[in-house]
Amino acid sequence: QKEVEQNSGPLSVPEGAIASLNCTYSDRGSQSFFWYRQYSGKSPELIMFIYSNGDKEDGRFTAQLNKASQYVSLLIRDSQPSDSATYLCAVNFGSSNTGKLIFGQGTTLQVKP
Amino acid sequence: DAGVIQSPRHEVTEMGQEVTLRCKPISGHNSLFWYRQTMMRGLELLIYFNNNVPIDDSGMPEDRFSAKMPNASFSTLKIQPSEPRDSAVYFCASSGNREVHFGDGTRLSIL
Repeated sequence: QKEVEQNSGPLSVPEGAIASLNCTYSDRGSQSFFWYRQYSGKSPELIMFIYSNGDKEDGRFTAQLNKASQYVSLLIRDSQPSDSATYLCAVNFGSSNTGKLIFGQGTTLQVKP
Repeated sequence: DAGVIQSPRHEVTEMGQEVTLRCKPISGHNSLFWYRQTMMRGLELLIYFNNNVPIDDSGMPEDRFSAKMPNASFSTLKIQPSEPRDSAVYFCASSGNREVHFGDGTRLSIL
């Protein structure tokens, strides 16, 4: 079983729609969860992090965490063509801030004008 | 503030040669990570350091790979001898809390 799993996509949504990206993880002890955005040929860029169960909103982005289900998601409201990128889910496999950050394979999002 | 700085940005070399990748983490960050990214395997953690000490090197593919962190502001990842299957983008990242920030990466091509 992979440690962090994502649907590779591509996920295609029309401009202005809500994009929903999902991720599951294997380690029940994980406490820190991150979403990175990576444009083609660029490095991953941190866009959201969440540590507690529930929702966390930042502008058009909402991260959702359900530790019981070992599930984390990212919602992007009012999707724009500039949101087209690969979105990487990352999980800190450890109980402190020195744990190792493991990434999923990423979901490619295409926002069509 | 300066981000994570990696050098070189691109490296093309012939198989069998030694390759050294360099990284300067963000000042004040106490954790440093080396990742490798390929289309097939995605973003893989090779090794990470905390306070200059290697904590987990289980992702290092084989003995041809080695990493050092002699001080808080510098780390190297060395491949000797290099092979074509080592071709990938190598990222260095650092963290001062739980947020990990990436450098621009080194695109390595082994011919």
